[in-house]
Amino acid sequence: RKEVEQDPGPFNVPEGATVAFNCTYSNSASQSFFWYRQDCRKEPKLLMSVYSSGNEDGRFTAQLNRASQYISLLIRDSKLSDSATYLCVVNRPRGSQGNLIFGKGTKLSVKP
Amino acid sequence: DGGITQSPKYLFRKEGQNVTLSCEQNLNHDAMYWYRQDPGQGLRLIYYSQIVNDFQKGDIAEGYSVSREKKESFPLTVTSAQKNPTAFYLCASKAVESGNTIYFGEGSWLTVV
Repeated sequence: RKEVEQDPGPFNVPEGATVAFNCTYSNSASQSFFWYRQDCRKEPKLLMSVYSSGNEDGRFTAQLNRASQYISLLIRDSKLSDSATYLCVVNRPRGSQGNLIFGKGTKLSVKP
Repeated sequence: DGGITQSPKYLFRKEGQNVTLSCEQNLNHDAMYWYRQDPGQGLRLIYYSQIVNDFQKGDIAEGYSVSREKKESFPLTVTSAQKNPTAFYLCASKAVESGNTIYFGEGSWLTVV
């Protein structure tokens, strides 16, 4: 099983749609989870951290299921500006720094 | 403004040449990282440094070297030993108190010609 696995997409959705991405991770000892957004040919930017109880930031909702070792991101009322690649990020709990492992990303394309 | 500055943004290198990518941060972050991204691939860790004068190999360190002589600077040298150096290189940093949240520079595109 890969350390972090995502559906590569692309997800092509109309404006206003609700879209959900899932991500699975292999190390049950991982403690930190994030969603990053990466625009074409740009650096990744933190979208949101993922907390055990789930968390929401405007149109974005992140959930963590430790038992099944997966993370999800829900985007409601999609905007054209949401078009990007969404990276699932999980810490690798080794040593004292818990290096981050990045998924390959799920590409979202929101169409008018 | 506070942030992470990478330079150059675009770089062309002839095979057999070493090249150094600069990364400077004024965020007072302790930890710094270098990642490589290939098309359609996830980020892979090359080297990281938790503190000045100390650094550790990541998953794909072969053919690369780094130094951390100052807290704010973490340059990456891509040596001629790196067989497939053409890629997008991302520098990142993290404050100890921020948990595991890291922030990236704008990246450097290296092309070997």
